[in-house]
Amino acid sequence: DAKTTQPPSMDCAEGRAANLPCNHSTISGNEYVYWYRQIHSQGPQYIIHGLKNNETNEMASLIITEDRKSSTLILPHATLRDTDVYYCIVRFRGGADGLTFGKGTHLIIQP
Amino acid sequence: ETGVTQTPRHLVMGMTNKKSLKCEQHLGHNAMYWYKQSAKKPLELMFVYSLEERVENNSVPSRFSPECPNSSHLFLHLHTLQPEDSALYLCASSQDALAINLDTQYFGPGTRLTVL
Repeated sequence: DAKTTQPPSMDCAEGRAANLPCNHSTISGNEYVYWYRQIHSQGPQYIIHGLKNNETNEMASLIITEDRKSSTLILPHATLRDTDVYYCIVRFRGGADGLTFGKGTHLIIQP
Repeated sequence: ETGVTQTPRHLVMGMTNKKSLKCEQHLGHNAMYWYKQSAKKPLELMFVYSLEERVENNSVPSRFSPECPNSSHLFLHLHTLQPEDSALYLCASSQDALAINLDTQYFGPGTRLTVL
């Protein structure tokens, strides 16, 4: 699986959109981009995933650049409860492997 | 209950004890996973089960012994652990570990294990 690079921490004001970047310059054509969040000492929670096109669900939006070497997770109207560690992961479809989580970005929402 | 549940949520054990962690998924999934998360380290995959068959074992010491009696339940049996085994142990499930279709893994809340 390709390696990802994320900033270790970010601040965002409550009510504003939080934009979390992720670089995955070695991503291959069949690898998807996943985003998870993890509350301290609890299991990671799936947020969104995509291959090429931008994706949106009830939790977030995912913007993938045309060359697929980077992506941005957007949390619209961030709340204090969005303070968490967010992980960007790239992996192939299926396969008998688990997800390899890096260090992620600690997002801190400021009141 | 819904989703993935794990018991106990917290466990303290001595190095000579034998204990078991339990995971149950209520999602109708066919694949289940054990992960270890140590402080300040990335998540580490330990075991993968697909349709109750172990399909991956990531060089995990034999003091960790998994068991998958059916597609809804997964156990991790622990014996003669070391203090460095203290960590958050996470269980996850997905629809299928081997299909070409995209899978999303759903995680349980984890068991916080402390080995004294």
